[in-house]
Amino acid sequence: GQQVMQIPQYQHVQEGEDFTTYCNSSTTLSNIQWYKQRPGGHPVFLIQLVKSGEVKKQKRLTFQFGEAKKNSSLHITATQTTDVGTYFCAGNNAGGTSYGKLTFGQGTILTVHP
Amino acid sequence: GAGVSQSPRYKVTKRGQDVALRCDPISGHVSLYWYRQALGQGPEFLTYFNYEAQQDKSGLPNDRFSAERPEGSISTLTIQRTEQRDSAMYRCASSPRTGHGYTFGSGTRLTVV
Repeated sequence: GQQVMQIPQYQHVQEGEDFTTYCNSSTTLSNIQWYKQRPGGHPVFLIQLVKSGEVKKQKRLTFQFGEAKKNSSLHITATQTTDVGTYFCAGNNAGGTSYGKLTFGQGTILTVHP
Repeated sequence: GAGVSQSPRYKVTKRGQDVALRCDPISGHVSLYWYRQALGQGPEFLTYFNYEAQQDKSGLPNDRFSAERPEGSISTLTIQRTEQRDSAMYRCASSPRTGHGYTFGSGTRLTVV
């Protein structure tokens, strides 16, 4: 079945440093979504990418969708302590018929040291 | 409602008992999803509905698990004859339509003792 892998599993940064997490799917995706989960909280939707090669920005966050629609990345510029949490990517299989089914990666846990 | 509401927040049950987990989605959201999340892992798909129709139940682990959404709003996930391996956080989410970003509820933490 479809697998979505994220690296790194953990990332520790000093406040002000940049952070990037990478997401790779075993199958071509119709779209990819990113979520943030604070410690003890629930996943919160950040963004959805649909087009091949798409790049979207939200303030200090930059999201990219690969040309082959099998990978994606999230880059945070100048991290802040409020960025702490686990970042998940989640994809929908382009070749599948279950349009509502998302396969989540295992997440990247970001720790920001002040 | 303003968000996705799940109840109970915590449920401790004895092995072999049945449990019912409830999800009240955002009003007007067509799609409702059930996921299970183990500690340190991403959410794992269980099933989803559009309106009252169950579109995909391929993620339900076995026939002890079932879900319904009879009137296209509130949904119930039922686990019969619970086992310790069923212990997890069960998360419900909804979206305006299939293919949109999810709004997750706070989850139900199920512990089977």
